[in-house]
Amino acid sequence: KQEVTQIPAALSVPEGENLVLNCSFTDSAIYNLQWFRQDPGKGLTSLLLIQSSQREQTSGRLNASLDKSSGRSTLYIAASQPGDSATYLCAAGPGSNYQLIWGAGTKLIIKP
Amino acid sequence: NAGVMQNPRHLVRRRGQEARLRCSPMKGHSHVYWYRQLPEEGLKFMVYLQKENIIDESGMPKERFSAEFPKEGPSILRIQQVVRGDSAAYFCASRPGTGSNEQYFGPGTRLTVT
Repeated sequence: KQEVTQIPAALSVPEGENLVLNCSFTDSAIYNLQWFRQDPGKGLTSLLLIQSSQREQTSGRLNASLDKSSGRSTLYIAASQPGDSATYLCAAGPGSNYQLIWGAGTKLIIKP
Repeated sequence: NAGVMQNPRHLVRRRGQEARLRCSPMKGHSHVYWYRQLPEEGLKFMVYLQKENIIDESGMPKERFSAEFPKEGPSILRIQQVVRGDSAAYFCASRPGTGSNEQYFGPGTRLTVT
């Protein structure tokens, strides 16, 4: 059974720092892994999707990597800004029905 | 091409009432997923449907919850006799079914049971 874990649960850093959010999964037989952003009381914004055959994806200041052998994905945020404050969720697509298995999220606070 | 639409965005129900949540997938998408997010938690898969078929309902509570995706019209998640523990955000996602495994999410319906 696939389980997805995100560490840390919360993170607070000063503006301008580069930071890494971690996501681990127990079953390496995944189809893809997605990173989402969720603002308080709001919906989900898809940030990056990495297919199982890929190693990383980049969008602006965001870079996500995938290492299936170790069961890990990281989301790297460069030059953090207060507007990056949100909860970041990772989700693995493990099964033949492509349903996503979710981590509990990392709540990120960027201090001005 | 409009995105995934969900309505209502907010729904308040008293204990014992019924809640109906609607999801209109993106145009051309024939696969729909429902997820539930309890307060301060990640999302949990509930049910996966294709047009007129329930493919996987392993994440859905056995009682009071049902889902459908008719040939015409939106997908419906129905919760009968709601209880306080049903208060959550319910997200719907769709995908085309061929050539893509990426899911596109709606804005969610926030259900509050009083």
